[in-house]
Amino acid sequence: AQSVTQLGSHVSVSEGALVLLRCNYSSSVPPYLFWYVQYPNQGLQLLLKYTTGATLVKGINGFEAEFKKSETSFHLTKPSAHMSDAAEYFCAVSGGGGTSYGKLTFGQGTILTVHP
Amino acid sequence: ETGVTQTPRHLVMGMTNKKSLKCEQHLGHNAMYWYKQSAKKPLELMFVYSLEERVENNSVPSRFSPECPNSSHLFLHLHTLQPEDSALYLCASSQHSAGLGTDTQYFGPGTRLTVL
Repeated sequence: AQSVTQLGSHVSVSEGALVLLRCNYSSSVPPYLFWYVQYPNQGLQLLLKYTTGATLVKGINGFEAEFKKSETSFHLTKPSAHMSDAAEYFCAVSGGGGTSYGKLTFGQGTILTVHP
Repeated sequence: ETGVTQTPRHLVMGMTNKKSLKCEQHLGHNAMYWYKQSAKKPLELMFVYSLEERVENNSVPSRFSPECPNSSHLFLHLHTLQPEDSALYLCASSQHSAGLGTDTQYFGPGTRLTVL
């Protein structure tokens, strides 16, 4: 069984400040990890994903995330927030090879607010 | 049209109505998904189709009936719904059909359903 916990349903930062969105996962097999973003009235868009290899993953719009197996974490960061980053962010885990058709388990989401 | 499209974008229906949601993907993918997104709950996977065959059904009530006539189209037929079924229904597609957990899922904008 897999699960994802996103710490903090709401995060508020000032424009130009560091963005840190936390994600911890539980998986009985080596996980594949994803961050998606959802802007108002839109579907989800992939920001980045970790499958194998380098544990620091760079994504679109200046975001990156680091897979830390010992901490079962995959936190999302961006050095400097922009107003356009305001959205809801979802962390998700997939169970790897043998998982049924890329089944994703999502966290509850974190709404990011960026203040001027 | 590019990506994943969904129609209608908004739907209001009574509990005795019958309606259908449509999803179309223009990406040449082999797998398609229906998700339910309710307020304050994680995204819930409802159905998965791979090469037009249903491969997952997550204990969804029979008042929701999916149909996948070909690899590009996915429908969700609705009948005798309940007010608690009001939610955003998201369609997604992914490339592979062979249980690859690394697949990126591409989402449509969703249909906002309100059941009166």
